Amino acid sequence: EAQVTQNPRYLITVTGKKLTVTCSQNMNHEYMSWYRQDPGLGLRQIYYSMNVEVTDKGDVPEGYKVSRKEKRNFPLILESPSPNQTSLYFCASSFYRGPSNYGYTFGSGTRLTVV
Amino acid sequence: GENVEQHPSTLSVQEGDSAVIKCTYSDSASNYFPWYKQELGKGPQLIIDIRSNVGEKKDQRIAVTLNKTAKHFSLHITETQPEDSAVYFCAASIRTGANNLFFGTGTRLTVIP
Repeated sequence: EAQVTQNPRYLITVTGKKLTVTCSQNMNHEYMSWYRQDPGLGLRQIYYSMNVEVTDKGDVPEGYKVSRKEKRNFPLILESPSPNQTSLYFCASSFYRGPSNYGYTFGSGTRLTVV
Repeated sequence: GENVEQHPSTLSVQEGDSAVIKCTYSDSASNYFPWYKQELGKGPQLIIDIRSNVGEKKDQRIAVTLNKTAKHFSLHITETQPEDSAVYFCAASIRTGANNLFFGTGTRLTVIP
């Protein structure tokens, strides 16, 4: 089944403890992206990658890092999480010409709570 | 960058009635307008999209209209059913460069049986 897999689905952590949310897709998509979803703010892009070793900032990149060493994986790293990073996170992927040509496939989300 | 506004934030309709969700965008260069449906506990899923060279597109009970002059587009759902209950997001994009999508803030649609 074609899908984007995120792990974990739920995570509670403490301020300052580094964490990684993994994202993997099995559709051979070049384009991958991370969004956060907050009430009243919709979906805001954190980082995106148009191909292996190519990443760029989205609208809200502060406090996050990403890497794209392999085509299928696009982990989101929070080096020192803070409570304002409590949110619902989505990974998404698309073919190389991007979501405005082929649409996104989204993962099921990761609900992160930072206390 | 692009700014997409979406209204209403919540919408309740009786089963069988129609539902309309409206979005406006700010960047006149935007030329691609998708709609995503997010069911409880799941990621958003593309349900319909429209490109700037057409004014309307239909897919069974769902239709999208686009007014480029006024910079607004709308989602129309006819003969609503309980399974249409979800959060709907509009988005806008310029189909060159990074191809990023800019999303609206979402509309929670509840269809009352």
